[in-house]
Amino acid sequence: QLQLQESGPGLVKPSETLSLSCTVSGGSVARSSHYWAWTRQPPGKGLEWIATIHYTGATDYSPSLKSRVTMSMDTSRNQFSLKLTSVTAADTAFYYCASIGGIPNWGRGALVTVSS
Amino acid sequence: KFMLNQPQSVSESPGKTVTISCTRTSGSIASNYVLWFQQRPGSSPTIVIYEDSQRYFGVPDRFSGSLDTSSNSASLTISGLKTEDEADYYCQSYDGNNWVFGGGTKLTVL
Repeated sequence: QLQLQESGPGLVKPSETLSLSCTVSGGSVARSSHYWAWTRQPPGKGLEWIATIHYTGATDYSPSLKSRVTMSMDTSRNQFSLKLTSVTAADTAFYYCASIGGIPNWGRGALVTVSS
Repeated sequence: KFMLNQPQSVSESPGKTVTISCTRTSGSIASNYVLWFQQRPGSSPTIVIYEDSQRYFGVPDRFSGSLDTSSNSASLTISGLKTEDEADYYCQSYDGNNWVFGGGTKLTVL
């Protein structure tokens, strides 16, 4: 079974860029059958999909975040990453990475707080 | 583009059976797989059902997922309710490569 682990700064200043990585173990991110995704959940609120990437590099972004989001993959590190620019307090959330294709897997999440 | 509508809350007594619905607003519920997540207070979401009706690793057979094309909805049924089942439950499906989440249902077991 795949295991996914989010990592990155837990505190980001307003207007700066949020950067997170997801390290995959138990399998390769370069699987043609798999897609990789980021979701988030503001404290006390529901789940929101952010972006998806395939190992070919093809990406899909949430329309509401598309102008600020970039998702990428590093097959040499078996990781994929998320960048969210111009963050505000509204971007404070638990961020989860996930895999789709066959049996899905989610990481345990990383809390990112946007505050000066 | 579609939405997934869930009741805000449901409640039932221990030992009973509860069903949580997830209604797709447009397009067929059978067009794309549905997943169900459980989120206990203070914890991360965990998958309970994937591919409409497949139980995830370690999920007891008290949990089951199904589709009803007549109401264009998916359902999560939990039988033999236990107090530990008290949690928020979210459904999720796909719109092409985009993900769509339901708003979540708070299950109270009292």
